[in-house]
Amino acid sequence: AQKVTQAQTEISVVEKEDVTLDCVYETRDTTYYLFWYKQPPSGELVFLIRRNSFDEQNEISGRYSWNFQKSTSSFNFTITASQVVDSAVYFCALSPLNAGGTSYGKLTFGQGTILTVHP
Amino acid sequence: EAGVTQFPSHSVIEKGQTVTLRCDPISGHDNLYWYRRVMGKEIKFLLHFVKESKQDESGMPNNRFLAERTGGTYSTLKVQPAELEDSGVYFCASSPFGGGGYTFGSGTRLTVV
Repeated sequence: AQKVTQAQTEISVVEKEDVTLDCVYETRDTTYYLFWYKQPPSGELVFLIRRNSFDEQNEISGRYSWNFQKSTSSFNFTITASQVVDSAVYFCALSPLNAGGTSYGKLTFGQGTILTVHP
Repeated sequence: EAGVTQFPSHSVIEKGQTVTLRCDPISGHDNLYWYRRVMGKEIKFLLHFVKESKQDESGMPNNRFLAERTGGTYSTLKVQPAELEDSGVYFCASSPFGGGGYTFGSGTRLTVV
């Protein structure tokens, strides 16, 4: 069985602060994908990143960075110098790779972390 | 390229009524998924189509839910009869065969009163 835990239900920060959203996962699969999605107040799910289990390199994209630690089954997300527009619900998700190793399977989501950035 | 389109965006129905949600995936995407988020909980998988075939429907909560994907294009998810606990946001997603982008729609917010 797969499980994703986002222990932080809500986080509140002031603009320009750095904030880290935690994600811990459980899976018996040896190959899998990890994702982060953002759900702004408008409701849609916005894809942020996909990381496969072969690649533990950390990634940086502008103010966003991700730390993948296979040893601790964690895939944490950091926003540097947060802005009001970062206010949203953030979801971490996990999926297996199929037998061909190419297509995504169903996603298992965490409960989401509500991030509020105050001006 | 048009994204994944869902409609209606909102639906309010009374308990016992029937509601049909529709999802238009990205053109050419063989994989189509339905998910649901209920009352601030995690987003949960409902089912997965590959073209018109149900690949995995292990997440469907009960037989009041019926999903179809005729012709392998758009999909519908019917709830009949709706119960209070069916309230939530229903998301659809699509992806091409062989991997690539996994794109979600904006969701349908269903409220059963």
